[in-house]
Amino acid sequence: GAVVSQHPSRVICKSGTSVKIECRSLDFQATTMFWYRQFPKQSLMLMATSNEGSKATYEQGVEKDKFLINHASLTLSTLTVTSAHPEDSSFYICSAKGQGTGELFFGEGSRLTVL
Amino acid sequence: EDQVTQSPEALRLQEGESSSLNCSYTVSGLRGLFWYRQDPGKGPEFLFTLYSAGEEKEKERLKATLTKKESFLHITAPKPEDSATYLCAVQGGYNKLIFGAGTRLAVHP
Repeated sequence: GAVVSQHPSRVICKSGTSVKIECRSLDFQATTMFWYRQFPKQSLMLMATSNEGSKATYEQGVEKDKFLINHASLTLSTLTVTSAHPEDSSFYICSAKGQGTGELFFGEGSRLTVL
Repeated sequence: EDQVTQSPEALRLQEGESSSLNCSYTVSGLRGLFWYRQDPGKGPEFLFTLYSAGEEKEKERLKATLTKKESFLHITAPKPEDSATYLCAVQGGYNKLIFGAGTRLAVHP
C-alpha cells in the first residue's frame, strides 16, 4: 500500500528555536497533504491543508506565521514550527491523499518536545 | 458543523469476548467514513472506508457497518494484539477529515 514517511520521528529543542518536520509520499504523488496535531489521549486536530505549488490553507485558530508549511513538490511537504515554546510540544502527523482513491495515508508522526 | 462522537471512550475485553465500537456523526454531504487503528506513538493505520448507508466491510476479526447516522466497528473474538485506539473520521463537503476522539481498546488474555 501507499507509504508516507515522516522525519524526524522525535525531536527535542530549546524554547525559541525552530524545528522542521518533513513529510514524504514514497510511492505516489500527493497533490494534497494534511498536517495534524495530537495531544495525549486526544484525537487528531487538523492544522492545515497543503497543496503543491500554492499556499497552505490553515484551520481557524492555527497561527500561520508560527506553523510554516511548504509543499514544494508532489512528494514533499514540510512543517516548520518557528520560535517553539513548551506549549508547542505535541505529536505532529502528516497525511497524503492517494491519487484516484481519495484515501488518506498517514505518516508515523513526529514527537516534538520543547524544553 | 461536522461532528464525530465515538463511544465508549475506553473498552476492556477478555480475549475472545466480541464487542462493538460506535461512531455517531453529523456531516453535510458525507463523502466517506473512515476507520483507523492507532498504536501508541504511531500514526493512524487505515482500516476501512464506507461510502453509503448499508455498506459493510470486513477484515480479519473486524467488520465495519454504516447507517445514515452512525457506524459500528464490530470486533469478533478479539486477541491481545487488537489492543489499540480505534479512530473514526468523516469526510464532508469541504474534503477534510474530521476525527472522533477515539476508543481505547484493551484486550486481555
